[in-house]
Amino acid sequence: GAGVSQSPSNKVTEKGKDVELRCDPISGHTALYWYRQRLGQGLEFLIYFQGNSAPDKSGLPSDRFSAERTGESVSTLTIQRTQQEDSAVYLCASSFAHSGANVLTFGAGSRLTVL
Amino acid sequence: RKEVEQDPGPFNVPEGATVAFNCTYSNSASQSFFWYRQDCRKEPKLLMSVYSSGNEDGRFTAQLNRASQYISLLIRDSKLSDSATYLCVVNSANRDDKIIFGKGTRLHILP
Repeated sequence: GAGVSQSPSNKVTEKGKDVELRCDPISGHTALYWYRQRLGQGLEFLIYFQGNSAPDKSGLPSDRFSAERTGESVSTLTIQRTQQEDSAVYLCASSFAHSGANVLTFGAGSRLTVL
Repeated sequence: RKEVEQDPGPFNVPEGATVAFNCTYSNSASQSFFWYRQDCRKEPKLLMSVYSSGNEDGRFTAQLNRASQYISLLIRDSKLSDSATYLCVVNSANRDDKIIFGKGTRLHILP
């Protein structure tokens, strides 16, 4: 696609429910990143995928968080048993390769509200 | 020391003024540097890359000081539309080429 597409754009859920967020990167981008941004805060790295390499999961805050990516296409971020502190905007970004010299293009984000 | 540090601001600057802010980084082996802009409730977008020789794009000038490990962003003749949060981004050469975002500096241009 022309840009990074994320869905849903907004999600309101009850505490304890599971949620799944989707990211469709730019076609041809091999690297994909997930970030979390709480209200008024900076970007918090969660996970990245690069081609068929093992993902870097070092930023996932707990075992309730997981992410998958099939090849170089869509990625899903799953949050199990959501808590109120999970409320945030979840941003996905992609780039041509996992190299710091490559520019990240972000999606518009998925805003998650846990009641 | 944090990997990437920025003054959170806010910087309140009158329209037409010049404003500059810095970003310091801890890893001397870092290789790539960027400034991103994030508008309220929007996603970050690339403003400009920062080259060793410094670079300019219209009213915006970015510079890199490797000896002191900081990058800077200068905005001349500021416009109301420049109001945003400016994010410093550094490619850390540690830990497998990790891309590190600063927390951002908030800029408010006052009419």
